[in-house]
Amino acid sequence: GAGVSQSPSNKVTEKGKDVELRCDPISGHTALYWYRQSLGQGLEFLIYFQGNSAPDKSGLPSDRFSAERTGGSVSTLTIQRTQQEDSAVYLCASSRGRQSSYEQYFGPGTRLTVT
Amino acid sequence: DAKTTQPTSMDCAEGRAANLPCNHSTISGNEYVYWYRQIHSQGPQYIIHGLKNNETNEMASLIITEDRKSSTLILPHATLRDTAVYYCIVYNAGGTSYGKLTFGQGTILTVHP
Repeated sequence: GAGVSQSPSNKVTEKGKDVELRCDPISGHTALYWYRQSLGQGLEFLIYFQGNSAPDKSGLPSDRFSAERTGGSVSTLTIQRTQQEDSAVYLCASSRGRQSSYEQYFGPGTRLTVT
Repeated sequence: DAKTTQPTSMDCAEGRAANLPCNHSTISGNEYVYWYRQIHSQGPQYIIHGLKNNETNEMASLIITEDRKSSTLILPHATLRDTAVYYCIVYNAGGTSYGKLTFGQGTILTVHP
């Protein structure tokens, strides 16, 4: 079956511009997660959705970052006024539900470069 | 969630068993041990998990010590495609961490021909 897909695969943007990253989870997975991975760093948890709601937004690094999920499926991560330190690979994952949150299926990621 | 300690890197010959250790001395009773791996330029991939009993699946085996303070992931016959960063994570799926898997630096496993 289809896995988690993300788009675009690569995004180069100028400092100060806004970007939107998209995630399509596995069909039927109610839980969705965003992480980011900076060069040479481990994965940093950003936010988790159960259905359309996000019980924990504390992982978002600043108020320039926001995320939404509609229809319990597709999610978008928006970064406003991008900065060079936002350059990273942004990974999305999904799982069958919160109780299966240990088994997260990851997408290939979006590589964001802010120039 | 409890923290984990893993060696930075390990080497293994193709066809041999790869044994990757992990220390998690502060693990609590309701936390499981999970292993993921990340092959270069890909997203992480779930491998296996366990609570206190040893576990085996088609990918690997997980050996957890009786006191649960450490564990070992075993790839019985490593191949070149097993070259990846391996992450050991302790996590309580029923807790309030809301799916927040904490990935440390992991172990870079290099499988040589």
